[in-house]
Amino acid sequence: DQQVKQNSPSLSVQEGRISILNCDYTNSMFDYFLWYKKYPAEGPTFLISISSIKDKNEDGRFTVFLNKSAKHLSLHIVPSQPGDSAVYFCAASAFIDYKLSFGAGTTVTVRA
Amino acid sequence: DVKVTQSSRYLVKRTGEKVFLECVQDMDHENMFWYRQDPGLGLRLIYFSYDVKMKEKGDIPEGYSVSREKKERFSLILESASTNQTSMYLCASSLSGVRYEQYFGPGTRLTVT
Repeated sequence: DQQVKQNSPSLSVQEGRISILNCDYTNSMFDYFLWYKKYPAEGPTFLISISSIKDKNEDGRFTVFLNKSAKHLSLHIVPSQPGDSAVYFCAASAFIDYKLSFGAGTTVTVRA
Repeated sequence: DVKVTQSSRYLVKRTGEKVFLECVQDMDHENMFWYRQDPGLGLRLIYFSYDVKMKEKGDIPEGYSVSREKKERFSLILESASTNQTSMYLCASSLSGVRYEQYFGPGTRLTVT
C-alpha cells in the first residue's frame, strides 16, 4: 500500500509558466519530505526538502509547501524551463527511519 | 561530488539464472540502498544496509538477497531470476543519520527472458 501518492502521472506546462506538482501522504509519522528529479537513463537527483516544522522551503526557482493537516505537499517551479522536463518523485521519511517512501512520480514536460 | 556507480547499465538474463548487481560509492557513506523502479509504482525499497555486513529488508525483499562485505560496495543478488524481476534497479547511498539525502547511481535496466 503506497503511503506516498502522486496522483498526476503527467503535467505539461508552457515555458515561463508555473509548474505545480502535488503529493499526498497517509503515514502521520512522516516528518521529512523530499523531491527528487530524474532524467531518462540517469538516477534521481535530490532537488529540495522540507521538515515538518516548516510549511515552506524555497531554493531558487523551486519552492515546496507543506500542509500537515491535509497531509499534502506541493512543489512549485517558477518559471518553468525546458531543462525542467523530467520525472519528479516525492519522498517521505519518518524520524529514526533510514528508509524513504517514494511516490509513483510525475512526468513534467515544458513546452517551448 | 558523490559518485555512485553500478556495474552494468543494461543486462539481459534468462529465467532461473543467478544475477549479481554491483554498486560502489566513493564518499564513505554508511548507508546503502537498493530500489527497483517500475512504471506507476515509483521507487520501491528492496534492501538497505547501514553498516558493513548489516542489512535490513525493505518493502519488497522477496526473491532478492544482498551482500555488503566492504563499506563502499553493496551487491544485490537475484538467486533465481524470474520475468517479474524485469525492472530498473537503482542503488543509492547516504551518510548515517536520517536527514541526509540519498545519492543515486544511474541504474541497471535488467530484462529477464
